[in-house]
Amino acid sequence: GAVVSQHPSWVICKSGTSVKIECRSLDFQATTMFWYRQFPKQSLMLMATSNEGSKATYEQGVEKDKFLINHASLTLSTLTVTSAHPEDSSFYICSCATGSTDTQYFGPGTRLTVL
Amino acid sequence: SQQGEEDPQALSIQEGENATMNCSYKTSINNLQWYRQNSGRGLVHLILIRSNEREKHSGRLRVTLDTSKKSSSLLITASRAADTASYFCATDASGGGSNYKLTFGKGTLLTVNP
Repeated sequence: GAVVSQHPSWVICKSGTSVKIECRSLDFQATTMFWYRQFPKQSLMLMATSNEGSKATYEQGVEKDKFLINHASLTLSTLTVTSAHPEDSSFYICSCATGSTDTQYFGPGTRLTVL
Repeated sequence: SQQGEEDPQALSIQEGENATMNCSYKTSINNLQWYRQNSGRGLVHLILIRSNEREKHSGRLRVTLDTSKKSSSLLITASRAADTASYFCATDASGGGSNYKLTFGKGTLLTVNP
């Protein structure tokens, strides 16, 4: 149980384009979803927290207009990197949590490369 | 300064040996969790220890928590080559509820040589 998927697993795009990453909880309902970014050989940095049907809460320094988060249902959240630039190249990981537990279940991550 | 810092940053051992990784943090916490990440992959939850617990076991894993020293350790016994991965501690210092969030340390890269 507690399987989280992400799509795509990797994406290469040109500078200036927008990229959408999906995060799905496959066998449970996630009241809260988190989006993290991880640069090579570094730790995970929380970007934003989203609750289903609410606006996302962004961490300090994360541009909400650049990283659009939509949490439309209890099983799906999307992260759109708008007007991507090479410095946005990173590993993006989502996690899901239910309201009854304080364990987060992580997706496999999406490798974004912006040329 | 960063909440949840592991040491050592890298650890290389032989198969069969035990591996110990430490994590220190700075603020009061509700719980501390350990995660494992294989290269280029997502995180796998290993174990959660609450602030009122001192020790927890799960298979070959043993986690301790010392809230007075704000530190935790993860012990992997009888290591295997398949244990090679990065290990992160993460602390939950939020007020709880559905909006809790985790702060991750920098991780320890464990290499188990066959």
